Amino acid sequence: QKEVEQNSGPLSVPEGAIASLNCTYSDRVSQSFFWYRQYSGKSPELIMSIYSNGDKEDGRFTAQLNKASQYVSLLIRDSQPSDSATYLCAVSKPAGFGNEKLTFGTGTRLTIIP
Amino acid sequence: GAVVSQHPSWVICKSGTSVKIECRSLDFQATTMFWYRQFPKQSLMLMATSNEGSKATYEQGVEKDKFLINHASLTLSTLTVTSAHPEDSSFYICSARGMGREKLFFGSGTQLSVL
Repeated sequence: QKEVEQNSGPLSVPEGAIASLNCTYSDRVSQSFFWYRQYSGKSPELIMSIYSNGDKEDGRFTAQLNKASQYVSLLIRDSQPSDSATYLCAVSKPAGFGNEKLTFGTGTRLTIIP
Repeated sequence: GAVVSQHPSWVICKSGTSVKIECRSLDFQATTMFWYRQFPKQSLMLMATSNEGSKATYEQGVEKDKFLINHASLTLSTLTVTSAHPEDSSFYICSARGMGREKLFFGSGTQLSVL
């Protein structure tokens, strides 16, 4: 079982609709959760971070975390063509102060259709 | 936000040569740096973790004698791919974290092509 699992997609969403991206993780000690956006040939860009159960909203983005189900999701409202990218879910576990490692999922490729 | 500069952005080299990639934190002291590798359509795979002034910790399956990491100062880490082969062709990305900071800041990545 992979530590972090995502549906690779591609996920196609009409412009203006809500895009829903899902991620599950296997290790219950995981404590920090991140969503990164990666355009082709570029390095990842942090979109959202979430640390406690529930929802966290930032502009058009909402991250949702359910530790009991080991599930984290990202909602993108009012999707724009510029949101087309690969979205990487990343999880970190405590490994000593300052050395917390990020484990990435394989990413979901999102395409927003104008 | 914090800036991490990675250089070069792309490099083409002949098989058997060595390539050095630099990662600099421009406006903060990076106590920890991470080096990742990403093959096409795959996720980022952590290669090693380096703390300033100490030896890097390599992930299982990563050859430490092939991928030399130096983190001699709080603003600079280097990854040297020694005796590169075509299978080493990949996108290499560094990231950095400052003392007491939760967030990682990524460099812009280096596309390595070994002929």
